[in-house]
Amino acid sequence: AQSVTQLGSHVSVSEGALVLLRCNYSSSVPPYLFWYVQYPNQGLQLLLKYTSAATLVKGINGFEAEFKKSETSFHLTKPSAHMSDAAEYFCAVSEAGGYQKVTFGTGTKLQVIP
Amino acid sequence: EAEVAQSPRYKITEKSQAVAFWCDPISGHATLYWYRQILGQGPELLVQFQDESVVDDSQLPKDRFSAERLKGVDSTLKIQPAELGDSAMYLCASSSLGQTGTGELFFGEGSRLTVL
Repeated sequence: AQSVTQLGSHVSVSEGALVLLRCNYSSSVPPYLFWYVQYPNQGLQLLLKYTSAATLVKGINGFEAEFKKSETSFHLTKPSAHMSDAAEYFCAVSEAGGYQKVTFGTGTKLQVIP
Repeated sequence: EAEVAQSPRYKITEKSQAVAFWCDPISGHATLYWYRQILGQGPELLVQFQDESVVDDSQLPKDRFSAERLKGVDSTLKIQPAELGDSAMYLCASSSLGQTGTGELFFGEGSRLTVL
């Protein structure tokens, strides 16, 4: 069964500082991995996805993530935090074959301090 | 820009009452998902449709929840009777690449249910 674990339910960074949100996955087959962002009282929006092409994936709003098979990780980073990055971030996994079941992590709420 | 439409945005009901949520996916998207998101947690899949067929409802509490997508387009999720623990955000999402595993899920704004 596929799953993701997000370390840290809350992360605080200063404006302009590095953002690092951690995600580890478990999958019996090569996974597809996603990061979604959710603003208050809204649905989720895709930031980026890994689908077995390049291991370093660039997404919207300056975010990127690196797929590391040896560490079963897919951490999300951004070099310089902006106030508008304050939101909740979800890592998700799906597997090839069959119908796409997407399993989400428990989320990390990012606070950006001015 | 095409969007996933959901209604109502907010619903307050008393326990033991019936509630229903409606979702209209992006046109042409064959895969439709209903997720439940409890405050402070990640979305949990309740039911997944491929066209009009249910392909996963393993986490759907079938004694009180039902879902349908009769013509393979829009969908309705029903709860009867509602319980206090059903208070949550109900999210609908759709995908055009559900069978490849690589597709982006497009989410609606959600329906927030409060059961009193």
